[in-house]
Amino acid sequence: DGGITQSPKYLFRKEGQNVTLSCEQNLNHDAMYWYRQDPGQGLRLIYYSQIVNDFQKGDIAEGYSVSREKKESFPLTVTSAQKNPTAFYLCASTARGDSPLHFGNGTRLTVT
Amino acid sequence: AQSVAQPEDQVNVAEGNPLTVKCTYSVSGNPYLFWYVQYPNRGLQFLLKYITGDNLVKGSYGFEAEFNKSQTSFHLKKPSALVSDSALYFCAVRERRNTPLVFGKGTRLSVIA
Repeated sequence: DGGITQSPKYLFRKEGQNVTLSCEQNLNHDAMYWYRQDPGQGLRLIYYSQIVNDFQKGDIAEGYSVSREKKESFPLTVTSAQKNPTAFYLCASTARGDSPLHFGNGTRLTVT
Repeated sequence: AQSVAQPEDQVNVAEGNPLTVKCTYSVSGNPYLFWYVQYPNRGLQFLLKYITGDNLVKGSYGFEAEFNKSQTSFHLKKPSALVSDSALYFCAVRERRNTPLVFGKGTRLSVIA
């Protein structure tokens, strides 16, 4: 079955450590996105990529980094510069045009 | 800049009654509008979209939405609510093709048996 796989489902880190969240899709989608979800704040865009080897900052990119070396993969690194990293992180992808986003099942990151 | 407002944090409805979840938007041109549903600790699932054409859009699980350009609204509706419809619902908009979606803050729907 085609879909988006995010791993791990739960992630625990100590403050000051960088951590990388994995996102893989086998839908052959060009565009991939990372959103952050906090209670009562909806989804906020961190980074997105519309093509391999290219990506753009979203609304809350500070403290995060991404890479897009392969069409299937769009890993997100939460760096120690991110002031409040504890959140639910969602990866999504879409074909070009008017297509809806397809979402993974998220990674819940807890930093203590 | 594009934006979406979901004015209700929570909507409660009795099973079997009609439900409405409200959404208003702001874009500079013609909107591309979407509704998604989220169950606990899961990603979002696509319900329906409006791009152009008929103002009443039908989607998954018996949901529909009505696009109203004059009121800049795109309310989600269902004629008869089920307990299993209880979830978090998000409205989203983009103002051009191939640009990121902007999401509302979500409305929690609770259907009571």
